[in-house]
Amino acid sequence: EVQLVESGGGLVQPGGSLRLSCAASGFTFRSSWMTWVRQAPGKGLEWVANINQDEGEKYFLDSVKGRFTISRDNAKNSLYLQMNSLRAEDTAVYYCGRDTRGVFDYWGQGTLVTVSS
Amino acid sequence: EIVLTQSPGTLSLSPGERATLSCRASQSVRSRCLAWYQQKPGQAPRLLIYGASSRATGIPDRFSGSGSGTDFTLTISRLEPEDFAVYYCQQYDNLPRTFGQGTKVEIK
Repeated sequence: EVQLVESGGGLVQPGGSLRLSCAASGFTFRSSWMTWVRQAPGKGLEWVANINQDEGEKYFLDSVKGRFTISRDNAKNSLYLQMNSLRAEDTAVYYCGRDTRGVFDYWGQGTLVTVSS
Repeated sequence: EIVLTQSPGTLSLSPGERATLSCRASQSVRSRCLAWYQQKPGQAPRLLIYGASSRATGIPDRFSGSGSGTDFTLTISRLEPEDFAVYYCQQYDNLPRTFGQGTKVEIK
């Protein structure tokens, strides 16, 4: 059974940093693209970033470029999102997902990030 | 960036009725790179349809997708109680990946 479990969310002040993690199991993680998608409270879905199998390709939403970094550890079956210079508009539930040629076929349950003073 | 516009915003229907959801793209989505997701309150989205018309694993055949170019449709042939949810379309033709704003299917 495929499982994706996010962690690392919480309350952070504007300008602060947070690192999200996603633990994967039930599929061949090292062979899969992975993605992060977020959802602001009461709003729709917004793609944030994705990464290929060997970290050679990484793509970001324009509004997070230069502030967010995506990485992975294939030995630990883990995906990460380092978020710096956080803003109020980054407040959202962050989901990790498996990215199969652009289709997000498995999702975690999400972790809530709240940026507020 | 491809902008996806979903209509209607809310669809009020009764169990057993047919639901037709629309997703219109601001430019042609090549190779029918269009997916549909279902999201229930407090849950993660679930993939329903990819490639505009292919059902994902385990999705009942009352869900069907159609369309090409800039106009796509998700049809639920007979609504079951568990189908009342929010539905999103998503394009994966190019970056950034984008979603529509969602259509809520509610019980009438």
